Amino acid sequence: AQSVSQHNHHVILSEAASLELGCNYSYGGTVNLFWYVQYPGQHLQLLLKYFSGDPLVKGIKGFEAEFIKSKFSFNLRKPSVQWSDTAEYFCAVTLNQAGTALIFGKGTTLSVSS
Amino acid sequence: KAGVTQTPRYLIKTRGQQVTLSCSPISGHRSVSWYQQTPGQGLQFLFEYFSETQRNKGNFPGRFSGRQFSNSRSEMNVSTLELGDSALYLCASSLGGLAGAETQYFGPGTRLLVL
Repeated sequence: AQSVSQHNHHVILSEAASLELGCNYSYGGTVNLFWYVQYPGQHLQLLLKYFSGDPLVKGIKGFEAEFIKSKFSFNLRKPSVQWSDTAEYFCAVTLNQAGTALIFGKGTTLSVSS
Repeated sequence: KAGVTQTPRYLIKTRGQQVTLSCSPISGHRSVSWYQQTPGQGLQFLFEYFSETQRNKGNFPGRFSGRQFSNSRSEMNVSTLELGDSALYLCASSLGGLAGAETQYFGPGTRLLVL
């Protein structure tokens, strides 16, 4: 079955540190890729998405992600984190022939200390 | 534009009972998907409705069912509740025309506790 792996369960950083969260998926066909964020007490929000075209995509709040097809990866990056980035981050994919069903990774909790 | 709304926000039920959750999508969105979020299993897809038809289904038992109305509002029903059904149930809506290549917008969820 198709799956999404997020390598880090919990990441702890100081403000201004750089962030990279890993995401790998297991599917050889065409995928659509997403990163969602869940801030404490809030609902899931889209950070960025990749459907096609430039594999480097930019999202909200200074986040970006790079799709590397050969590595089945879609890692999330931010050059300098802020305390307000403390949240849970989810990588997800959809398969074109499977409709809107998002397959989520288990999530990574990011804690940023000021 | 109003976001996805879900009612009720919190629910407590006992084993064996049934429950119905409601979701109102963003205006103009015709696709509604449901997800279950638990600490152990994470976020799992339940099913998707588009134009009142179930278009996609996840790997959940038949106790989990849903429907969609002509105004795109959707309900999810769980019958014969089990303790393991305790979870946050999320609804997401999208335009629906492009299926997987669309952004889904999530509601705040309904937190169900089964005692």
